[in-house]
Amino acid sequence: DVKVTQSSRYLVKRTGEKVFLECVQDMDHENMFWYRQDPGLGLRLIYFSYDVKMKEKGDIPEGYSVSREKKERFSLILESASTNQTSMYLCASSLGGQGYEKLFFGSGTQLSVL
Amino acid sequence: SQQGEEDPQALSIQEGENATMNCSYKTSINNLQWYRQNSGRGLVHLILIRSNEREKHSGRLRVTLDTSKKSSSLLITASRAADTASYFCATINAGNNRKLIWGLGTSLGVNP
Repeated sequence: DVKVTQSSRYLVKRTGEKVFLECVQDMDHENMFWYRQDPGLGLRLIYFSYDVKMKEKGDIPEGYSVSREKKERFSLILESASTNQTSMYLCASSLGGQGYEKLFFGSGTQLSVL
Repeated sequence: SQQGEEDPQALSIQEGENATMNCSYKTSINNLQWYRQNSGRGLVHLILIRSNEREKHSGRLRVTLDTSKKSSSLLITASRAADTASYFCATINAGNNRKLIWGLGTSLGVNP
């Protein structure tokens, strides 16, 4: 089975801190995604990467950046965390030819920004 | 923007009963997927149905797709307490397979 591992289950940070969320997948998937999930708003795509060093903005990229230096690792960076970035962050991956079909998700990181 | 709308928002049933959830969408799609999310965890892919398919089965799951009504239903038969979760539909619009549109989910509670 595909395993998508997110580095932290819970994270508490202060306003203004730089925050790194790490995600690693072990099935050689080309596509990787970062979503945030908020009650009443559902899943919203932050960034998408379809290859090493390639990235595309999703629906809500403002305040975030990403890094994909190796195929298996996709990092989400909050340059200066703000309270409105408190959320559940979900990483996902999929096979290259399948794009948005059959995403495999990590367990999520619940980030609180105080 | 969210396209899929699940109905009902919440559903509570007894173990052994069937659970039916519906998803409506607004534009033509390539395919529709259903995912499950246990409380506070990531999502798990359940089933994908393509726009040229009308029905698909996977174990106790049955999914139907009616493209004329722009709707899909997920039926879970003989439910178990372990089926307690939120269920989401997600669609890929025709002509734009790089965007997955998520619904807000149906919260299913199965009482033992």
